[in-house]
Amino acid sequence: QKEVEQDPGPLSVPEGAIVSLNCTYSNSAFQYFMWYRQYSRKGPELLMYTYSSGNKEDGRFTAQVDKSSKYISLFIRDSQPSDSATYLCAMSAPGGGADGLTFGKGTHLIIQP
Amino acid sequence: NAGVMQNPRHLVRRRGQEARLRCSPMKGHSHVYWYRQLPEEGLKFMVYLQKENIIDESGMPKERFSAEFPKEGPSILRIQQVVRGDSAAYFCASSPLGTHTEAFFGQGTRLTVV
Repeated sequence: QKEVEQDPGPLSVPEGAIVSLNCTYSNSAFQYFMWYRQYSRKGPELLMYTYSSGNKEDGRFTAQVDKSSKYISLFIRDSQPSDSATYLCAMSAPGGGADGLTFGKGTHLIIQP
Repeated sequence: NAGVMQNPRHLVRRRGQEARLRCSPMKGHSHVYWYRQLPEEGLKFMVYLQKENIIDESGMPKERFSAEFPKEGPSILRIQQVVRGDSAAYFCASSPLGTHTEAFFGQGTRLTVV
């Protein structure tokens, strides 16, 4: 079983829809959870960062972490064509920078105008 | 405040040559991380450095790969005697603290080995 599982998609939705992106993980030591957006041929861009369980909202984006289920989500409201990109979940355990971030493979999202 | 700068953006090398990838972190960031993204694969951690120190190189291949972050100048990822399997996008990230929680990525160097 991979440490982080993420459906690669593609996920295609109409403009204005609510998008739900998810990751599951197996390592219970993970405490920090991040979502990155990556446009084609570009570097990942940090969207959201959450510590432990709970919700965090930033504009049209909401991140949720359910540590009991080892499940994290990113919701995008009022989706726009410019949101079309690959979304990567990433996580790490406490204790500093050792081992780096563990990434999912990314979900390719397409917002249809 | 400029972001993480990587150069070159594209690098073509013949098998057996050396590849040098450079990364300048964001101003005020002293922690640098290198990741590799193979086609159809996720980002994989390679190495974590602070100025003049390698903190964690658990993701680095044991041979041909090395990294440094000197007191002055950019961080360098060096690949000796490149092979076709080294073709990938190499990303550098930097953060103000060594927790990865606010790591900002550069645009990457796309290495093609022919």
